[in-house]
Amino acid sequence: DQQVKQNSPSLSVQEGRISILNCDYTNSMFDYFLWYKKYPAEGPTFLISISSIKDKNEDGRFTVFLNKSAKHLSLHIVPSQPGDSAVYFCAASFISNFGNEKLTFGTGTRLTIIP
Amino acid sequence: SAVISQKPSRDICQRGTSLTIQCQVDSQVTMMFWYRQQPGQSLTLIATANQGSEATYESGFVIDKFPISRPNLTFSTLTVSNMSPEDSSIYLCSVDRTEKFLYNEQFFGPGTRLTVL
Repeated sequence: DQQVKQNSPSLSVQEGRISILNCDYTNSMFDYFLWYKKYPAEGPTFLISISSIKDKNEDGRFTVFLNKSAKHLSLHIVPSQPGDSAVYFCAASFISNFGNEKLTFGTGTRLTIIP
Repeated sequence: SAVISQKPSRDICQRGTSLTIQCQVDSQVTMMFWYRQQPGQSLTLIATANQGSEATYESGFVIDKFPISRPNLTFSTLTVSNMSPEDSSIYLCSVDRTEKFLYNEQFFGPGTRLTVL
């Protein structure tokens, strides 16, 4: 059962335009959401996060929107740059039964920025 | 952010053998995690490596197959035992940035790409 879903395996966007990456989740216990970016042969790097008490968080060119009622979040990148070409993972978190923070990842969306 | 290194970066192994992956962090961290990313799949948590206690494993993962050590606050190992081709994956370690029970981002190592023939 995939609790965090990224239904678009790939996305191509013209340089300078807005990139919108989407993520849906099914587990209502999730209350913290993160986006990671991954380049080939490297580990994921943290990009931006949002807690369930907010509906928007912005950091420079990156904005994450959370719609709790729809169990949906999105990452907006504007303007898109060639260096943004990477695989983007959505992740969700809650305190597990062991008291540990636990991340559940989506399958990723490969973003390609076209110069 | 923490600087995390993993050894080896990649390996090709024969069926039935075992491989130990090392994860080193440049600062003391409470919690370290081991993930697996199979081809075309998302990152899946294998276990949480706690210093001074047994690792806690996620559903579908067992200690006999993936024994973990956590001898101190900067180091952990994951062993993939009795490997089969289905174990071919990228294995990643990650660490929490701050205190346990607080929501915070995790930092990942570069990963170990394992191919089992």
